[in-house]
Amino acid sequence: DTGVSQDPRHKITKRGQNVTFRCDPISEHNRLYWYRQTLGQGPEFLTYFQNEAQLEKSRLLSDRFSAERPKGSFSTLEIQRTEQGDSAMYLCASSPDRWTEAFFGQGTRLTVV
Amino acid sequence: AQTVTQSQPEMSVQEAETVTLSCTYDTSESDYYLFWYKQPPSRQMILVIRQEAYKQQNATENRFSVNFQKAAKSFSLKISDSQLGDAAMYFCAYGGGNAGNNRKLIWGLGTSLAVNP
Repeated sequence: DTGVSQDPRHKITKRGQNVTFRCDPISEHNRLYWYRQTLGQGPEFLTYFQNEAQLEKSRLLSDRFSAERPKGSFSTLEIQRTEQGDSAMYLCASSPDRWTEAFFGQGTRLTVV
Repeated sequence: AQTVTQSQPEMSVQEAETVTLSCTYDTSESDYYLFWYKQPPSRQMILVIRQEAYKQQNATENRFSVNFQKAAKSFSLKISDSQLGDAAMYFCAYGGGNAGNNRKLIWGLGTSLAVNP
């Protein structure tokens, strides 16, 4: 296990299509986070999982966004009916329960055309 | 709510010189962490250095050190002997107790650092 893994690295989709991203955290990390980063900005928090429970969702996460973490392992982030404003880098991070820092994946860059 | 402010959108430094990146934050919490992350053009966030608020001693990691002024809510990053590989976007981030202790990170807008040969 070498770190947080995200798939795909890049995704180009047409407006109105649905997309799904996957994040595999570091083994035994029970905290998992999704952030969104637009060009020239810092990341913004989207949602947080403690094991399989989604404990917080940002107001940035509209009804078109849904995230899951079945069995407390990998997580998926789905965006339905994509809009051009959804174009961004989606970052996943994980941490152990004894949190001292967040470990990030390489991100999924979404481009909506 | 917690906020993080980075007032320097861009900085540049000559190779082998020293540069300091500024960060201020606002919080009413007493238990928190502060971080500097580096994001090279490959885009993966890499932790540079971490400071625990209850520790008075400033954190250091090789050529990287911080000046943590808790009362002033200031957290600057000093890079000594700058190298070409230090060129990247640098983000200051706050990780506090938050509601429910979820430890989500609050980020500044970043400082783009250029290193000139």
